[in-house]
Amino acid sequence: QKEVEQDPGPLSVPEGAIVSLNCTYSNSAFQYFMWYRQYSRKGPELLMYTYSSGNKEDGRFTAQVDKSSKYISLFIRDSQPSDSATYLCAMVASPSGSGNTGKLIFGQGTTLQVKP
Amino acid sequence: ETGVTQTPRHLVMGMTNKKSLKCEQHLGHNAMYWYKQSAKKPLELMFVYNFKEQTENNSVPSRFSPECPNSSHLFLHLHTLQPEDSALYLCASSRRATNTEAFFGQGTRLTVV
Repeated sequence: QKEVEQDPGPLSVPEGAIVSLNCTYSNSAFQYFMWYRQYSRKGPELLMYTYSSGNKEDGRFTAQVDKSSKYISLFIRDSQPSDSATYLCAMVASPSGSGNTGKLIFGQGTTLQVKP
Repeated sequence: ETGVTQTPRHLVMGMTNKKSLKCEQHLGHNAMYWYKQSAKKPLELMFVYNFKEQTENNSVPSRFSPECPNSSHLFLHLHTLQPEDSALYLCASSRRATNTEAFFGQGTRLTVV
């Protein structure tokens, strides 16, 4: 079983739709959860960063973490064609005390296309 | 851009060649990383350097040899690669190795023929 599971898609939605991107994970030690966006021919860029359970909102983006279900989501409201990219979830166990090097574990990425 | 610059952007090499990938970060970070991104696979961590010291080698074959002369520069030396090594190689940096906010370069698209 992969540590992090993410549906690769592709996911195609019309402009203005609400998009829901999800990842599940198996390691209960994960505490830091990130979403990266990767445009074609570019490196990933950090989009959202959350610690433990709960919601975090940044403009049209909301990151949600449910540790009890080992499930994280990224919601995009009023999606735009410029949101078309691959979205990667990533997570890491607590880096403190254990000598953990902050090793990020990535999902496979979901390719999103927002059509005008 | 992100403050992490990788060169070259594209590289085609034969299996008997020797080449090097370069990464430079202008963010004042102390940790640098090499990742491999293959089609339909998650990003794979290859190496971690923290304050110029290698702290992780994720079971990477010896045909990949990293070098970190200082906290701002990272190299990946390549020799006798295989076609299955063709991938996007990404460099990243963070304030320290336990910091979870990594900034990525644009990557080097490597093709081994």
